[in-house]
Amino acid sequence: AQTVTQSQPEMSVQEAETVTLSCTYDTSESNYYLFWYKQPPSRQMILVIRQEAYKQQNATENRFSVNFQKAAKSFSLKISDSQLGDTAMYFCAAAQGAQKLVFGQGTRLTINP
Amino acid sequence: GAVVSQHPSRVICKSGTSVKIECRSLDFQATTMFWYRQFPKQSLMLMATSNEGSKATYEQGVEKDKFLINHASLTLSTLTVTSAHPEDSSFYICSARDNPGQPQHFGDGTRLSIL
Repeated sequence: AQTVTQSQPEMSVQEAETVTLSCTYDTSESNYYLFWYKQPPSRQMILVIRQEAYKQQNATENRFSVNFQKAAKSFSLKISDSQLGDTAMYFCAAAQGAQKLVFGQGTRLTINP
Repeated sequence: GAVVSQHPSRVICKSGTSVKIECRSLDFQATTMFWYRQFPKQSLMLMATSNEGSKATYEQGVEKDKFLINHASLTLSTLTVTSAHPEDSSFYICSARDNPGQPQHFGDGTRLSIL
């Protein structure tokens, strides 16, 4: 079975700092997809970034980038120049091919002014 | 693009009432929709996967007669909580995707409170 683990329940940084959220996963498949979702206090689930396992290049979306280490089954999210609006729960998730998403436990990130 | 609308956003009702929640994909065809339940300060728990025109696939431990799912069109899925009780109070979120491997796009969720 596929599992996703986020080992940091909470993190807190100052505005404008860079923060990295950790995620590890376990899968027996070669074809899978990895995602980071953000859930602010409004409880909307917002897609932050997506990585296809067969692509070696790390995905980047503006201030958000990932460090995808396939051999280590690691998929960390880096947020650069953090902003107050980045305060949210962040969920790492994995999907094997056409299968369902498996979510990690989440990391509560607080950006302090 | 990729907007998913979920309605209602908030429901308060008496024990024994059945409650229907709608999930619509507004600008794409959702071949697959998912229903999740989220307890406070916890991750999303998948309840069922719904493919258009076929029966939903429920996760282990989820009562299919309690949580009725219908996915009659490529843009609409409904979750009906039948004879709801206080223990069914929770935050329910739907998501939709068009093709396997594509991201799931989420609705805004429904906060259900059973008195």
